[in-house]
Amino acid sequence: GPKVLQIPSHQIIDMGQMVTLNCDPVSNHLYFYWYKQILGQQMEFLVNFYNGKVMEKSKLFKDQFSVERPDGSYFTLKIQPTALEDSAVYFCASSLVGGNERLFFGHGTKLSVL
Amino acid sequence: SQWGEENLQALSIQEGEDVTMNCSYKTYTTVVQWYRQKSGKGPAQLILIRSNEREKRSGRLRATLDTSSQSSSLSITGTLATDTAVYFCATSSGSFNKLTFGAGTRLAVCP
Repeated sequence: GPKVLQIPSHQIIDMGQMVTLNCDPVSNHLYFYWYKQILGQQMEFLVNFYNGKVMEKSKLFKDQFSVERPDGSYFTLKIQPTALEDSAVYFCASSLVGGNERLFFGHGTKLSVL
Repeated sequence: SQWGEENLQALSIQEGEDVTMNCSYKTYTTVVQWYRQKSGKGPAQLILIRSNEREKRSGRLRATLDTSSQSSSLSITGTLATDTAVYFCATSSGSFNKLTFGAGTRLAVCP
């Protein structure tokens, strides 16, 4: 079935550094999402993105966070600077349409901020 | 929070048994989705049930939705060890498919 690829699978960085998480969504999908999951807890919505713009974002999507998809390439989540509480697994997802439809998730990038 | 149950629940059963997982939600939704997340993987959708459907089946899965009580259930018949995972229900809001997940049920199926 359709696959969302996330690169890298694990990233370890020092607090205060910048990190970029990459997502290769399903090729014909138009809507893109980032979710955050702390170990053993529920998935928490961060942001959705459509037509080159952020449509909605949660309180977890701090000012240090940004997303973009330049020229239809990777959909990226950048955190600058990172904080200890940013340690989590970040999941990218995509969907063909908006509005109450299935999301396809990647396997996640585990971010460890030291 | 959108969800009534805040704590991750855990169930442990024997292979072959049937199981039902429940969740309730607080805010209006037209769709409930159930996702399964296996260890080290992202969630994968199992079933989507709309507000005009009371029940939906897919293979060994059966989902129900009661909009009057704002609750949904997912049943699995004849469980297999490979059904071991965390099961989440999720509602969506807005035009841009913002999914809100419940706390989940950790299901362990012992062979």
